[in-house]
Amino acid sequence: DGGITQSPKYLFRKEGQNVTLSCEQNLNHDAMYWYRQDPGQGLRLIYYSQIVNDFQKGDIAEGYSVSREKKESFPLTVTSAQKNPTAFYLCASSTPTGGGYEQYFGPGTRLTVT
Amino acid sequence: AQTVTQSQPEMSVQEAETVTLSCTYDTSESNYYLFWYKQPPSRQMILVIRQEAYKQQNATENRFSVNFQKAAKSFSLKISDSQLGDTAMYFCAFTPILGNEKLTFGTGTRLTIIP
Repeated sequence: DGGITQSPKYLFRKEGQNVTLSCEQNLNHDAMYWYRQDPGQGLRLIYYSQIVNDFQKGDIAEGYSVSREKKESFPLTVTSAQKNPTAFYLCASSTPTGGGYEQYFGPGTRLTVT
Repeated sequence: AQTVTQSQPEMSVQEAETVTLSCTYDTSESNYYLFWYKQPPSRQMILVIRQEAYKQQNATENRFSVNFQKAAKSFSLKISDSQLGDTAMYFCAFTPILGNEKLTFGTGTRLTIIP
């Protein structure tokens, strides 16, 4: 079954700790994305990557970091510099081939920092 | 920069009725895609329907159809014969075709189907 997996579903951390959220896809998509979702604000783009070993900041990249060492994987690290890290995080992937441009989403990770 | 506006934070409708969700957008691009995504209580984002801006014909997918008005920059979603499983957040999204495939999302409309 092709798809996107995110783990874990729920994550709890103490303030001041870095935490890494996992995102893996087996859709053979070139592009991958990380979004943050807060109540009443829709989805906001954190980082995106269109090719291995390359990524760009999105609209709210401060306090986050990513890597793209493999096509299938795009982990997101929430650093202690992120002021309000508690949120729902969604990973997505896409490919322009086939003319779709739609993004396919993982099930998300709910991060709670106390 | 593109913006997407959904002016209806919440809506409710009786089961089997028809409901229309509104979306407007602002862009200087001439070629782009528009999408409606559904996010049920499970929080899994699901693509509902897609519209290419260069196609005049409105997209349809079973009970879901859109009213795409390019000049007015309007992209509404109509759900016919609404079902309890349609209860979800609905997000409108935009991406330019020759861009970097970034999606710009609206803030969403929470739709509740009443039995």
